[in-house]
Amino acid sequence: DAGVTQSPTHLIKTRGQHVTLRCSPISGHKSVSWYQQVLGQGPQFIFQYYEKEERGRGNFPDRFSARQFPNYSSELNVNALLLGDSALYLCASDIRENGANVLTFGAGSRLTVL
Amino acid sequence: RKEVEQDPGPFNVPEGATVAFNCTYSNSASQSFFWYRQDCRKEPKLLMSVYSSGNEDGRFTAQLNRASQYISLLIRDSKLSDSATYLCVVGSGGYQKVTFGIGTKLQVIP
Repeated sequence: DAGVTQSPTHLIKTRGQHVTLRCSPISGHKSVSWYQQVLGQGPQFIFQYYEKEERGRGNFPDRFSARQFPNYSSELNVNALLLGDSALYLCASDIRENGANVLTFGAGSRLTVL
Repeated sequence: RKEVEQDPGPFNVPEGATVAFNCTYSNSASQSFFWYRQDCRKEPKLLMSVYSSGNEDGRFTAQLNRASQYISLLIRDSKLSDSATYLCVVGSGGYQKVTFGIGTKLQVIP
């Protein structure tokens, strides 16, 4: 079984550009979450989607947007990139176990903004 | 105050040592608790969930103290392969919003 897959794995952009990151959750999983991890910090929650609906949003500006498709894959879009957007972007499949959300992460997309 | 606080370390311990990490959380309504492990430049992976009664998985023991709002992770007989960053994770709210700590770096030395 494929786990969570993300693409691209690495990318370099310049300030002001936009970026689209893609994620496919574990087969059969309907929920996807996105996290930003800046070097030296823990992952910060950006969005959660369940069956194409936004379930939660973290404290990120409107330059960040996401959507989920009928096949449960997801895209994260970031517009007007800033240097501070350089980070590892992680996508996770959410699954409920014993009343808690257990996350399985993909390998991430490492974004560098120059 | 941060929602989830951890000492970033690094903790440098010899092989075979016992090491303990603590983590405190600010939201008393938090309902789920986890430890994740993250190797350098890799994604976090679930190490163990933390239950109210405490739980053990081999050399790893997790404890939850709701009254004091802290979680602990104890690693016995440390191995070189335990070297990683250990992330404390707390879930709260209807859809279980998950919040990560900054992570505690562990280096096990020969």
